[in-house]
Amino acid sequence: NAGVTQTPKFRILKIGQSMTLQCTQDMNHNYMYWYRQDPGMGLKLIYYSVGAGITDKGEVPNGYNVSRSTTEDFPLRLELAAPSQTSVYFCASSYSSYWSNQPQHFGDGTRLSIL
Amino acid sequence: DQQVKQNSPSLSVQEGRISILNCDYTNSMFDYFLWYKKYPAEGPTFLISISSIKDKNEDGRFTVFLNKSAKHLSLHIVPSQPGDSAVYFCAITGTASKLTFGTGTRLQVTL
Repeated sequence: NAGVTQTPKFRILKIGQSMTLQCTQDMNHNYMYWYRQDPGMGLKLIYYSVGAGITDKGEVPNGYNVSRSTTEDFPLRLELAAPSQTSVYFCASSYSSYWSNQPQHFGDGTRLSIL
Repeated sequence: DQQVKQNSPSLSVQEGRISILNCDYTNSMFDYFLWYKKYPAEGPTFLISISSIKDKNEDGRFTVFLNKSAKHLSLHIVPSQPGDSAVYFCAITGTASKLTFGTGTRLQVTL
């Protein structure tokens, strides 16, 4: 029972490099989210998606891009890595409908350092 | 402007005693409140929630209380166990079920 799977678990990037953080879920959830958590802070929403082909900005979207071509996958792209993007990134998914909002399920995170 | 505040960064409680974690919010329009628990190197896991139409919700050792007039939310854990040691986040949900998190309270349950 995999749930939400994030890869890689750790990564070190140089300033200006690009990378994609992978996220996949096997629960057939329609909603998916990306958050970042900085030390001593709560999680902040970067981008979210309410279904395949639909994405929207969260609270802190600058420097990131997302796509949602399938229900299962929601990759997060960093185009030009900056030290301010050093953080732990969490992907989450949930099922929401007119009648029901289910709690979000989280992956175990990707710890990203940019030097 | 922080919409969700957890003013206690840490809390230490003896095993068997009650743990009370607090959370304040600013916007009275929010209608669903949640608590998540997080262990090191893991993602947050859902613990318990409460709708704004209720003032209390229980699930085993965990009870969440909502005081809408004070815009205050609290989580009670009775009795506290060593395995409860973790960081607890309160969160509020808005459109598209997006979550806004507090900064977390680190609970340590001592023997």
